Amino acid sequence: QVQLQESGPGLVKPSETLSLTCAVSGYSISSGYYWGWIRQPPGKGLEWIGSIYHSGSTYYNPSLKSRVTISVDTSKNQFSLKLSSVTAADTAVYYCARGGVVAATYDDYWGQGTLVTVSS
Amino acid sequence: AIRMTQSPSSLSASTGDRVTITCRASQGISSYLAWYQQKPGKAPKLLIYAASTLQSGVPSRFSGSGSGTDFTLTISCLQSEDFATYYCQQYYSYPLLITFGQGTRLEIK
Repeated sequence: QVQLQESGPGLVKPSETLSLTCAVSGYSISSGYYWGWIRQPPGKGLEWIGSIYHSGSTYYNPSLKSRVTISVDTSKNQFSLKLSSVTAADTAVYYCARGGVVAATYDDYWGQGTLVTVSS
Repeated sequence: AIRMTQSPSSLSASTGDRVTITCRASQGISSYLAWYQQKPGKAPKLLIYAASTLQSGVPSRFSGSGSGTDFTLTISCLQSEDFATYYCQQYYSYPLLITFGQGTRLEIK
């Protein structure tokens, strides 16, 4: 059974960089599939942030592209999200998820999500 | 960006009812559409992909249809565990920009 688990600070100061990691178990990232990040501000809808292939190929939401970096560490079977210059608008529950064998796809396995609050 | 518009935004129904949620894309997306169910404090759960293919383990009372710009999610006989928020998602657009509908909250009448 594929399982994903997000980890990282729950509180980040404005203008700093948000950093999260998603640990994957039950499946080797090196075997394929795209792996992505989605966020959900409190009480609001879902926003796709971006995704990465095990080779390192990435796709980002254009609205966040200048601030986002997604990377993968196949040796640890995990992938990471960095979002720079955060503001209160970046406060959200951040989910990691498994996509498909192509970049443009749905997500079949999700982490439980982690709330990140941007506040001084 | 392709905009996804769901209707209604909220819906009240009773156990045993048949309900339909609609999702409209701002441009044609073929059948590149998924539906998710989300309960409070939980991650979204994939129900349907490719507009009408039921994800493994999802009860058959859920069904999806449509192609192009207009899609529907139908729950044939509501169960208590179905009261949740439902989102549609398109994964068609290139350059890649996956977008979601705003959600439909299904509440107990």
